Amino acid sequence: DTAVSQTPKYLVTQMGNDKSIKCEQNLGHDTMYWYKQDSKKFLKIMFSYNNKELIINETVPNRFSPKSPDKAHLNLHINSLELGDSAVYFCASSLQGRTDTQYFGPGTRLTVL
Amino acid sequence: KQEVTQIPAALSVPEGENLVLNCSFTDSAIYNLQWFRQDPGKGLTSLLLIQSSQREQTSGRLNASLDKSSGRSTLYIAASQPGDSATYLCAVQGTNAGKSTFGDGTTLTVKP
Repeated sequence: DTAVSQTPKYLVTQMGNDKSIKCEQNLGHDTMYWYKQDSKKFLKIMFSYNNKELIINETVPNRFSPKSPDKAHLNLHINSLELGDSAVYFCASSLQGRTDTQYFGPGTRLTVL
Repeated sequence: KQEVTQIPAALSVPEGENLVLNCSFTDSAIYNLQWFRQDPGKGLTSLLLIQSSQREQTSGRLNASLDKSSGRSTLYIAASQPGDSATYLCAVQGTNAGKSTFGDGTTLTVKP
């Protein structure tokens, strides 16, 4: 019954590695998002996809590359991880995007050593 | 650039009190405003969504209002309970590509 799920829940890795976080929603929504919540708990949007098309791409290092194989999935791949990438990454989805409630996943806590 | 501010940053009240959380935003060109709660180490749970054409939304003990012209929203919690303890975030979805901007949150503690 999980609406928006993310894997893994925790990710601990060494600096310089490449890692991926996966997100899936079973709500039939058209729009999916990636947010980053830093150590000060500030939540900031990174990317938004609507029907597999990128519609929001904030000022994020190009080491971060989202991929949407279908509208139920939005994965986040991070190359050459840096210490500053340590944060909690949240995936979210909404029906259409502009007027609809966003539903959040449980988050992935990334720690870069 | 949209900026969202939440006041107070932290609030501690005894059980049973009514309380108000405030959210202000600088750009009134919005589609909607959404209130979330976040429990420690958890994701965000949507509480209320107010469309830009609406003035308020109610759900149980929660009431959220929106004054788009003044760039303000309030979340009213009636008869607070210890289970209400969490961080409350407001998010404004702007008309610029539908981007959501979040406030820093208000951390609420309700003491038994």
